Amino acid sequence: EDQVTQSPEALRLQEGESSSLNCSYTVSGLRGLFWYRQDPGKGPEFLFTLYSAGEEKEKERLKATLTKKESFLHITAPKPEDSATYLCAVEDQFYFGTGTSLTVIP
Amino acid sequence: GAVVSQHPSWVICKSGTSVKIECRSLDFQATTMFWYRQFPKQSLMLMATSNEGSKATYEQGVEKDKFLINHASLTLSTLTVTSAHPEDSSFYICSASTGKGYNEQFFGPGTRLTVL
Repeated sequence: EDQVTQSPEALRLQEGESSSLNCSYTVSGLRGLFWYRQDPGKGPEFLFTLYSAGEEKEKERLKATLTKKESFLHITAPKPEDSATYLCAVEDQFYFGTGTSLTVIP
Repeated sequence: GAVVSQHPSWVICKSGTSVKIECRSLDFQATTMFWYRQFPKQSLMLMATSNEGSKATYEQGVEKDKFLINHASLTLSTLTVTSAHPEDSSFYICSASTGKGYNEQFFGPGTRLTVL
């Protein structure tokens, strides 16, 4: 059965404390892996798409990487405005993970 | 650019009534629109995919007679929850895409449905 698992479920960081979020997947034929940011009560906001192992993409303090079994979202020197739930989704059919709720404390 | 709106943003209805939710792409034409449901503390679950002018494709386990989807134009899709019950209470989110795949989806702000 295809699955997408994100860890940790919740993460609290001090401002400036870098960390990584994990998205593990087991799908038979990955056609793309997506990262989104979701603020409370709002729809997801697109961040990145990764297509093949070894691919990396960056945007401001965020960097996404992809291997054959998982993806990482690295957050460098986070700020309070980075607080949100970060979702990954995989395209075989289309499955979202349950997300990591990130809180950055000033 | 790439703004998607939903209306209403929240709705409360009585059990047994039907509720219509609109999803509009405001500044682009959407070849494909997707509808998702999100329960508290859970992730988004894809309910159906709709292409303009054709019948929606529903995911396994989603009742097509209960969740009616109409994609009448390249900027408007509607989801009607028929004979709503309390277990249908959820956060419904649409997304719109200019392509046929899942890439480049622009999400709406969501509609909170509460069925009493």
